[in-house]
Amino acid sequence: ELKVEQNPLFLSMQEGKNYTIYCNYSTTSDRLYWYRQDPGKSLESLFVLLSNGAVKQEGRLMASLDTKARLSTLHITAAVHDLSATYFCAVGETSGSRLTFGEGTQLTVNP
Amino acid sequence: DTGVSQNPRHKITKRGQNVTFRCDPISEHNRLYWYRQTLGQGPEFLTYFQNEAQLEKSRLLSDRFSAERPKGSFSTLEIQRTEQGDSAMYLCASSWGRRAEAFFGQGTRLTVV
Repeated sequence: ELKVEQNPLFLSMQEGKNYTIYCNYSTTSDRLYWYRQDPGKSLESLFVLLSNGAVKQEGRLMASLDTKARLSTLHITAAVHDLSATYFCAVGETSGSRLTFGEGTQLTVNP
Repeated sequence: DTGVSQNPRHKITKRGQNVTFRCDPISEHNRLYWYRQTLGQGPEFLTYFQNEAQLEKSRLLSDRFSAERPKGSFSTLEIQRTEQGDSAMYLCASSWGRRAEAFFGQGTRLTVV
C-alpha cells in the first residue's frame, strides 16, 4: 500500500524567508502533484511532476521530483502572506489511477 | 468551461437518512474521481470512473455507499443509512488521462447529526 509522508505538518514562517516542504512516498510512482487548499475551500492544482528530475516553478514556489529517492520538494522563496494555506502532495501508483495524498503542510506566513 | 461543479455545497442530515450528491465534471474529461476529506487530513480516495465504467473502489467505500456515472457525464454518490462517521467533505475531481492533473470541485460538506 502506498504511503505518503509530508513534513513538516505545520510551518510558521516570516515574510521574506525561504523554506522547503518535503514529500516522501513508499512505492514506485509515475506521477506526483502538489495542491494548495485554503480554509473551507477546495484544492487548487499547483504542479504536475511526471518524470525523474522534473522541476516546475511558478512565482515564489518551485517543485522538484526525485523518483529514485521517492522524494519531492516544494521550495518557497521570499514568502509572502498570500502563500498562507495548506499544501498537499499527491502521488499516483504506477499501476493504478487513484491518488494518495499526504497529510498536508499547514503554512502560515507572518508579517 | 466553469470547472468541476458539485451540489449541494452543504448537507445536514439525521443519522439513518439517505443522501445523494451530484458532480458535474469538466466537459470532455473522461475520468471522474470521488474523494473524502475529514478535518485536518488529506483527501482519501473513494472511487473512480472512466467514462461510465466504475473501475476502482476503495475499501473505504462500504456497502452503504454507491456511485454512478450514467452516460459518462455527471456522477452521483449516494450514502444510505448515514452514520455520524460519514461527516466529511466529499470532493469530486475530473481529468483527461491517467497522468493529467485532476481538477477538484468545491466539495459537498456533509454533517450527520
